[in-house]
Amino acid sequence: GAVVSQHPSRVICKSGTSVKIECRSLDFQATTMFWYRQFPKQSLMLMATSNEGSKATYEQGVEKDKFLINHASLTLSTLTVTSAHPEDSSFYICSASRLGSYNEQFFGPGTRLTVL
Amino acid sequence: GQQLNQSPQSMFIQEGEDVSMNCTSSSIFNTWLWYKQDPGEGPVLLIALYKAGELTSNGRLTAQFGTTRKDSFLNISASIPSDVGIYFCAGAPINAGGTSYGKLTFGQGTILTVHP
Repeated sequence: GAVVSQHPSRVICKSGTSVKIECRSLDFQATTMFWYRQFPKQSLMLMATSNEGSKATYEQGVEKDKFLINHASLTLSTLTVTSAHPEDSSFYICSASRLGSYNEQFFGPGTRLTVL
Repeated sequence: GQQLNQSPQSMFIQEGEDVSMNCTSSSIFNTWLWYKQDPGEGPVLLIALYKAGELTSNGRLTAQFGTTRKDSFLNISASIPSDVGIYFCAGAPINAGGTSYGKLTFGQGTILTVHP
């Protein structure tokens, strides 16, 4: 159990367009989902925390109007990168925690975003 | 904010050798987690630790939650080529109320290379 999927796995888009990334918990209900960004050979940087039905909590320095997060159900969260620019190119990874898992986060496979 | 110091940054070992890596923090953590990340993939949870002094094994992997609650180590015995990857420690800090809300602080990662 504790499988998390992400879609798409990779996306290439033109500058100025918006990109939506989906994160789903496949076999459990996720009380909280997290969105991370990772640069090559670096650690994970938390962007925001989202709980189902409420507004996401963004980390300092992360623009909420740039990175829109919607957590519509206990199994789905979406991250939309609006008006993407080349500097938004990165590896975006979501994770989910389940009720009673006590801080354990289960990660999706990641989405490679390339903005031309 | 909390920071985790993970060492070593990288390791080059021969197949069959044992590996040890550790993380230290300037503040107390409620939970310690160890993840492995393969290139282009999301991190996979290896071991979760919840109590100070706890020693937990998962196959050839053994991890311990330090008694001061400020450190943890991961050992890999008899390494094999598929152990190659980046290993991250992560901790759930305790907030002022004595609980944690699931947010993790990650170490910088240890890049492990295993030569056959």
